[in-house]
Amino acid sequence: QLQLQESGPRLVKPSETLSLTCTVSGGSVSSSTYYWGWIRQPPGKGLEWIGSVYYGGSTYYNPSLRSRVSISLDTSKNQFSLKLYSVPAADTAVYYCARISSSWGTSWFDPWGQGTLVTVSS
Amino acid sequence: EIVLTQSPGILSLSPGESATLSCRASQTVSSSYLAWYQQKPGQAPRLLMYGASSRATGIPDRFSGRGSGTDFTLTISRLEPEDFAMYYCQHYDNSRWTFGQGTKVEIK
Repeated sequence: QLQLQESGPRLVKPSETLSLTCTVSGGSVSSSTYYWGWIRQPPGKGLEWIGSVYYGGSTYYNPSLRSRVSISLDTSKNQFSLKLYSVPAADTAVYYCARISSSWGTSWFDPWGQGTLVTVSS
Repeated sequence: EIVLTQSPGILSLSPGESATLSCRASQTVSSSYLAWYQQKPGQAPRLLMYGASSRATGIPDRFSGRGSGTDFTLTISRLEPEDFAMYYCQHYDNSRWTFGQGTKVEIK
């Protein structure tokens, strides 16, 4: 059964870089069948897609975050990572990683990691 | 950019009743490009439906989805205590994934 686990610093200072890693077990990030994605949820608010990566290295970002986000794959460690640069306090959120399935032109997130709360504060 | 608007914001119902949740797209979308998720407090979202009307693995048949064009619905027939939660719709198009703002189904 595929499982995903987020890891990384829980506290980041304003203007610094938020870095998270998602470790995948029970499956391979090298699979050509799936994308891999990051989603965040500020406290008490809804879900926001951050970006996605495909095994060949192609990346796709939310236009609202594109200027300061980077997502990459590490196939040797079966992981994918998120970097969010120059973070303000508004980037405080629970960050989730998820596998993305696609079929007949549609696409959905399943399963999800448990999520990790990252707080941006000095 | 497609915007998804969910209504109502809060739905207050009793166990055993049926719930109808709406997800409206800002422009016509393919009905197969919509998914629904359930999220309980402190938990990650869980996939309920994909392709607008296909249930994910392990999802009971009291959950159903339908719709076309710009209007989509998730129906929960015979609400069970474990169904009281937040629900989000999600759309995919042109390498962009979008979520609605959510509907909370609460116990009346």
